[in-house]
Amino acid sequence: TQLLEQSPQFLSIQEGENLTVYCNSSSVFSSLQWYRQEPGEGPVLLVTVVTGGEVKKLKRLTFQFGDARKDSSLHITAAQTGDTGLYLCAPRDDKIIFGKGTRLHILP
Amino acid sequence: DTGVSQDPRHKITKRGQNVTFRCDPISEHNRLYWYRQTLGQGPEFLTYFQNEAQLEKSRLLSNRFSAERPKGSFSTLEIQRTEQGDSAMYLCASSLASLAGGYNEQFFGPGTRLTVL
Repeated sequence: TQLLEQSPQFLSIQEGENLTVYCNSSSVFSSLQWYRQEPGEGPVLLVTVVTGGEVKKLKRLTFQFGDARKDSSLHITAAQTGDTGLYLCAPRDDKIIFGKGTRLHILP
Repeated sequence: DTGVSQDPRHKITKRGQNVTFRCDPISEHNRLYWYRQTLGQGPEFLTYFQNEAQLEKSRLLSNRFSAERPKGSFSTLEIQRTEQGDSAMYLCASSLASLAGGYNEQFFGPGTRLTVL
């Protein structure tokens, strides 16, 4: 089982601030995915990163895959209250093995 | 709404009772997955189906857990003799697997929250 460590576990910041959350492992992955799960809902796929060093942007969210394909980061610029949720990373697979996630709370 | 639906959304039961949850996948999705999510954790894969065939069940948590998808459409997850440790969110997801293979995005339902007293 490939173990993914996500950090921080919890993050609470003011609206308008920037933040970065991390997904790390000692294993190499062919690809990694990021999901957001809002309270009372299932996870929703945000992005898949495939190539080492790849950067993908989704509006104010910037995802980066490490050069060695062992880690990934998610940077949010000018956070909004709608960004509140649980951010999960996982290797792309049919049997998804999620990390524990980062619980993000954006304060108005 | 044409997304994945789950019923019920909430279930409270007493220890020792049996419970059954239903999942209706996105129409024409041939794969259906079950996950469990406990407090403070990410979802944990349990089992999945391609059409009626259950392709993986070794990760079901114990022999008290079983899942079916008799007609290749909706699926049920049953927990027999529930224990307090079974309290969790049970999530269902579906995807469309093509004959060509490759990865298929999973779309998750809202989950059934189980509380065992």
